[in-house]
Amino acid sequence: DGGITQSPKYLFRKEGQNVTLSCEQNLNHDAMYWYRQDPGQGLRLIYYSQIVNDFQKGDIAEGYSVSREKKESFPLTVTSAQKNPTAFYLCASSIGGEETQYFGPGTRLLVL
Amino acid sequence: LAKTTQPISMDSYEGQEVNITCSHNNIATNDYITWYQQFPSQGPRFIIQGYKTKVTNEVASLFIPADRKSSTLSLPRVSLSDTAVYYCLVGLMEYGNKLVFGAGTILRVKS
Repeated sequence: DGGITQSPKYLFRKEGQNVTLSCEQNLNHDAMYWYRQDPGQGLRLIYYSQIVNDFQKGDIAEGYSVSREKKESFPLTVTSAQKNPTAFYLCASSIGGEETQYFGPGTRLLVL
Repeated sequence: LAKTTQPISMDSYEGQEVNITCSHNNIATNDYITWYQQFPSQGPRFIIQGYKTKVTNEVASLFIPADRKSSTLSLPRVSLSDTAVYYCLVGLMEYGNKLVFGAGTILRVKS
């Protein structure tokens, strides 16, 4: 069954802690993306990657880091430098950088 | 810098046709226009994509004028289950042709 999976569905972070959100796709897509969505707001781009071992900052990259060691995986780390991390995080992938993006189910991050 | 513009919200009744317009004055020359639907606490779902003129699929139509500075998503005969947020996604020249989401339109369908 092809698609994009994100885990966990809910994640809790303590003050000063780094947490990593998982995103995996088996669609053989080259491009992957991370978005942040705040309540009642649209999607804002955090990072994107068009090919393995390469990624670029989006509009709100500060306090976040990513890696793209494998084509199917694009984990996002929310670092302690991100002072307001509570949000809904969405991962997406596309065949190429300008093609239709397909989204995962999202991870909701909450701060304890 | 202006990105894209969509109405914040729209109300409709079951069985009516709904048209949602997205303005994108600086759309990248070669990019498609894509629309998504999102329900609460879920990832956006692809609805329809087009480059120019009119595109129709089993759930919606997309109208794009010749200048491509706007696009209109048309949902025929909406039902209660169409209550959701609708986003347009386009590449914008002022952002290096990067794909940019609109702020979204909340559609409320009433019985």
